[in-house]
Amino acid sequence: SSELTQDPAVSVALGQTVRITCQGDSLRSYYASWYQQKPGQAPVLVIYGKNNRPSGIPDRFSGSSSGNTASLTITGAQAEDEADYYCNSRDSSGNHLGYVFGTGTKVTVL
Amino acid sequence: QVQLVESGGGVVQPGRSLRLSCAASGFTFSSYAMHWVRQAPGKGLEWVAVISYDGSNKYYADSVKGRFTISRDNSKNTLYLQMNSLRAEDTAVYYCARDGFGIVVVVAATLFDYWGQGTLVTVSS
Repeated sequence: SSELTQDPAVSVALGQTVRITCQGDSLRSYYASWYQQKPGQAPVLVIYGKNNRPSGIPDRFSGSSSGNTASLTITGAQAEDEADYYCNSRDSSGNHLGYVFGTGTKVTVL
Repeated sequence: QVQLVESGGGVVQPGRSLRLSCAASGFTFSSYAMHWVRQAPGKGLEWVAVISYDGSNKYYADSVKGRFTISRDNSKNTLYLQMNSLRAEDTAVYYCARDGFGIVVVVAATLFDYWGQGTLVTVSS
């Protein structure tokens, strides 16, 4: 199956900008979606498609993509943004299009 | 409001079976594909299976293919995951999630727009 690789952990000062990356061959062909997960809670969708935010997600979250890398940017990080973040995309390696999650990035807000 | 409520988790011995359920409400269940996603303790998310809005198409992760079966009953607004030949490595919280694209098959992107709170499955002797 395809793999999506993320940095295990990043930190950001309160109010600063942090970019979380997701690398994988499938991202050359398919958009990523991004999910935020806080301890003991279910994941929450934050970005999908080219750069779409569901209702209720602050506009400090944005997405982009180039080549085999998708990125989630938090501009002006807040304390409540401290969480694990996972990318997701289609898995193009098999004989059907499944789905694959990234390895996850733990974001710490200092 | 959209609600997804999983049930059926518990402790089961290796090699045995378990069936999970996901009760949906607050939306037209029969108009959306649905997924199961799992998360082993302290680990990341792993996609498990997807079923189309009408149940006609089902796809599985290689790790569960041939052992797990996804199904749905649109008259009961319920999604199921039948898990057979369970292994220790199947121990995880199992989430159901809605595919936000509805009945439209979107190949170029993914969208898990609503998630349940999960049910814990522990496979242990």
